[in-house]
This record gives sequence, structure tokens and C-alpha cells, in this order.
Amino acid sequence: GQQVMQIPQYQHVQEGEDFTTYCNSSTTLSNIQWYKQRPGGHPVFLIQLVKSGEVKKQKRLTFQFGEAKKNSSLHITATQTTDVGTYFCAAYTGGGNKLTFGTGTQLKVEL
Amino acid sequence: NAGVTQTPKFQVLKTGQSMTLQCAQDMNHNSMYWYRQDPGMGLRLIYYSASEGTTDKGEVPNGYNVSRLNKREFSLRLESAAPSQTSVYFCASTLDSFSEAFFGQGTRLTVV
Repeated sequence: GQQVMQIPQYQHVQEGEDFTTYCNSSTTLSNIQWYKQRPGGHPVFLIQLVKSGEVKKQKRLTFQFGEAKKNSSLHITATQTTDVGTYFCAAYTGGGNKLTFGTGTQLKVEL
Repeated sequence: NAGVTQTPKFQVLKTGQSMTLQCAQDMNHNSMYWYRQDPGMGLRLIYYSASEGTTDKGEVPNGYNVSRLNKREFSLRLESAAPSQTSVYFCASTLDSFSEAFFGQGTRLTVV
């Protein structure tokens, strides 16, 4: 089965509310990536985290990599309707070349 | 640059029919992947090819075969389609095992 678990599966928020999705692995990861998939579209790369405890920001998006490199989070501040989509974490597992995706969190933003 | 190109975009098959999904990338990437996406299941890896000449099973390889024809092309074959293979299929490529993945537009396959 998948080695990268993601929660929650769904999240409905009102526009302006914050949103967080969490990614957990049973094994230490060399790096972790985050992708966004708009409805009807394909996943698009957002960012990669490599270092233990790393925090990166992209405008209203904040990405964190855990100290043990086994978990990660994506936080969106003050959601907008343009944030609608499914957010996936992904990591190279199984010795290096196998890119495994989490189950994704589907975000819906209501006006 | 086209990036990753998948064909066809849509396909309807009858149970038992066979078909090949084509994928090509023009970014000189070493690794290529096939995923299927079903509601609530995320992206599940079917097969991948770490480099030209190699292929490996992912999480859900049963019922599929792949061919890494050359560095650019990685095809996915369904020998005898089943309704359980109704899904959206994505091909992706990466430069190496430390790089971002680029995805094709997807193939929406329905098996009736």
C-alpha cells in the first residue's frame, strides 16, 4: 500500500478561512514535494522541501518539513476561490526512484 | 516545448478489449511513470521506469504492461480491459529521483 498518508481527505472552508493539509510517512524521507491539481486538470508541482525542519513560503502558502523528515504540512492563509483543487504530497520511496503520492486533500472554498 | 504528451485523451473500451496508452516527453528526462487516479484514492503508481531500458512495478501493476520504447516514450498496455480499470491515467516524467514531476494531460478511460 501507499507509504505516504495524507489528511484530511476533504475540506470545505469559507473564503478567507485558513486551510491545512498534513502528510505522514512511516519512514524517513529524503525530500517531500507538494502538487496542486485543479478540477479536471493534472497535478502541477508547487515546491520541494529537503532539509529537516525546513519552512518555505509562497505568498499565502506555507510549507513545512518535520524535524524527523517523516511528516510535512501545507498551510494556506485566507483561502480564495482560486485555491480550489486537490493538494498532494509526494516523496521518492522504495530506495530512490519510485515517486509515491499521498491520497490528496480536496479543498473546496465557498463564498 | 510540449512537455509530456499523452494520447488518447478519452477512450471507451468494451470488457476484454486491449489498448495502449502512449506517453512521450521532450525534456530529456530519465524517469517516467504511469499513475491511475480514482476518487478518494489519490494517484496510485502502476509502473515506472527509472531510466531507459528499465521498468519496475508500482503499487497496482496487475492487468497492465509497460514498454520504455526509448528515452522519450513510455507506453502502458491493457491486454484485456476490465471495468475495474475505468480511471483517469496520468503519465509523468522526472529528470532524476530528486526532481519535480511533469504530468501529461491525462487519459480518461471507461471500460464497459
